[in-house]
Amino acid sequence: QVQLQESGPGLVKSSETLSLTCTVSGGSISGSYWSWIRQPPGKGPEWIGYAYYRGASNYSPSLKSRVTISVDMSQSHFSLKLSAVTAADTAVYYCARLGTLGRVGVFDYWGPGTPVTVSS
Amino acid sequence: DIQMTQSPSSLSASVGDRVTITCRPSQSINSHLNWYQQKPGKAPNLLIYGASNLQSGVPSRFSGSGSGTYFTLTLNNLQPEDFATYFCQQSSSSPYTFGQGTKLEMK
Repeated sequence: QVQLQESGPGLVKSSETLSLTCTVSGGSISGSYWSWIRQPPGKGPEWIGYAYYRGASNYSPSLKSRVTISVDMSQSHFSLKLSAVTAADTAVYYCARLGTLGRVGVFDYWGPGTPVTVSS
Repeated sequence: DIQMTQSPSSLSASVGDRVTITCRPSQSINSHLNWYQQKPGKAPNLLIYGASNLQSGVPSRFSGSGSGTYFTLTLNNLQPEDFATYFCQQSSSSPYTFGQGTKLEMK
């Protein structure tokens, strides 16, 4: 059973870079696409992007200029960096696996989420 | 981006009721539609994938249908643990977008 756990600062200052890590256990980090998803208070989830263990990545166009997602196979974790944050980036951040069921992409494993507040 | 519109945004029902939630993508997504359940303070949990396929371990009182630009999630014989927020999500094309959610509350 794959398990994911986010870690990182819960408070980031405006204009700085948000950095989070997701540790993967119970399964291999290779062969899968690893995503970050965020959810502002009271709103639906927003997909940020994914990275593949071999280095490919895909980001939401609305965040692409500020986002980097990378996979570290040696540490069995993947990371999110979001630069130049503002109050609009305040949200609960989830890491998740983008798997496939019946040829359909699904977010089948999720971390518990970590709240991040951007302060001025 | 494909916009996902859910209705209603909230719904009141009683244990034993049957309820239906609708999701309308802004363009056709074939059957690349998933449903998630989220309880307060928890991550979303996959219920249904490919519009109508039940994820392993999900009770059969949950069902999904639809294709293209109209999808429904039906909950039969509501149980106390079903009161939560439900989201649809499309994986037809990137960026993978979610609906705004339907909050199912106990009447």
